Amino acid sequence: GAVVSQHPSWVICKSGTSVKIECRSLDFQATTMFWYRQFPKQSLMLMATSNEGSKATYEQGVEKDKFLINHASLTLSTLTVTSAHPEDSSFYICSARDPRQSTDTQYFGPGTRLTVL
Amino acid sequence: SQQGEEDPQALSIQEGENATMNCSYKTSINNLQWYRQNSGRGLVHLILIRSNEREKHSGRLRVTLDTSKKSSSLLITASRAADTASYFCATETQGGSEKLVFGKGTKLTVNP
Repeated sequence: GAVVSQHPSWVICKSGTSVKIECRSLDFQATTMFWYRQFPKQSLMLMATSNEGSKATYEQGVEKDKFLINHASLTLSTLTVTSAHPEDSSFYICSARDPRQSTDTQYFGPGTRLTVL
Repeated sequence: SQQGEEDPQALSIQEGENATMNCSYKTSINNLQWYRQNSGRGLVHLILIRSNEREKHSGRLRVTLDTSKKSSSLLITASRAADTASYFCATETQGGSEKLVFGKGTKLTVNP
């Protein structure tokens, strides 16, 4: 299957700082990528849809000024958590669909664990 | 928002037994996908079933879909300790957005 990577795999930061997480499609181009958040022992919640060359679409209840998304190329989307607070500590996962495939399978990155102290 | 509900929330079985997990959803869908997640890791895609399909197999996995009941089941046959993980269903709703809505997941423990 297609490969999606994320960087970093984990990050610890101080409260009030900003953290950038990268999501890359390694062997395909993705005009659309998705960002999810997963709290411990819970399911994945879609945060936003990242659109190459245009503004991201945020789900209800997700603050767009706090979670900045940039999809500047067909292989890279970034999520920046601004002014992070301990309640932002979570597992952030991105996904994308490989347009070369006829299936509708979404491929997920390995996730980034964010801990805000 | 989550539209899927999985049951059971947790399942503990012995190696060699079969494991069945169920998923229900609320809206019309294009497809339903099952994923596996080992603790603290990313998601691994297991199988996708389209709305016009009723059953699909992949190795030891069997997935059924009943669109009239808005439900799906995942059967893992002859389970192994390595199957221990959390399993999630995710639905892609009609409309072409490609967004996935995840269920709450079933935590499966296979005891050696």
